[in-house]
Amino acid sequence: KQEVTQIPAALSVPEGENLVLNCSFTDSAIYNLQWFRQDPGKGLTSLLLIQSSQREQTSGRLNASLDKSSGRSTLYIAASQPGDSATYLCAPGKLVFGAGTILRVKS
Amino acid sequence: GAVVSQHPSWVICKSGTSVKIECRSLDFQATTMFWYRQFPKQSLMLMATSNEGSKATYEQGVEKDKFLINHASLTLSTLTVTSAHPEDSSFYICSATGFGYNEQFFGPGTRLTVL
Repeated sequence: KQEVTQIPAALSVPEGENLVLNCSFTDSAIYNLQWFRQDPGKGLTSLLLIQSSQREQTSGRLNASLDKSSGRSTLYIAASQPGDSATYLCAPGKLVFGAGTILRVKS
Repeated sequence: GAVVSQHPSWVICKSGTSVKIECRSLDFQATTMFWYRQFPKQSLMLMATSNEGSKATYEQGVEKDKFLINHASLTLSTLTVTSAHPEDSSFYICSATGFGYNEQFFGPGTRLTVL
């Protein structure tokens, strides 16, 4: 059974900082891994999808890496902004989510 | 493209009543839909997986007679919470995927409050 751990559970940073969110998973037999953003009381917004054959994906200020063999993924956010404040969830494969990292970017 | 909607966005009902939540894929054919439940400050937990035209597959611990799932068409799946109780109050989110897609697309969620 896939188990997903996200570290840190919460993070508060001043605006402009670069930051890294970590995701580890136990079952490396995955086809892809997605990072999502969830605003309070809202659904999920897909940020990045990394295929199992890829090492990383980039979208704007976001960069996600995947090390499938070691069961790890990181989400790098450059030059953080207050609008980045949300809960970030990783999902290796399709059906299991991490508990998320609650990010607060202070202006 | 790949938009999923849910209706209603929120619902309040009395204990003992049934509530139906709809999940629609607006611009693609959803061969598979997933239903998740999210309690406050917790992550999403998969409840069931439904393939169009087939019976849903429920995760361990999810009562199939209480959470009725119907996926009768390629654009619509419904989740009916029967005889709802206050402990069923939660945020219910659906997702969908289809041919040519290898990712899920999520609906905006439905907030259910049972009084």
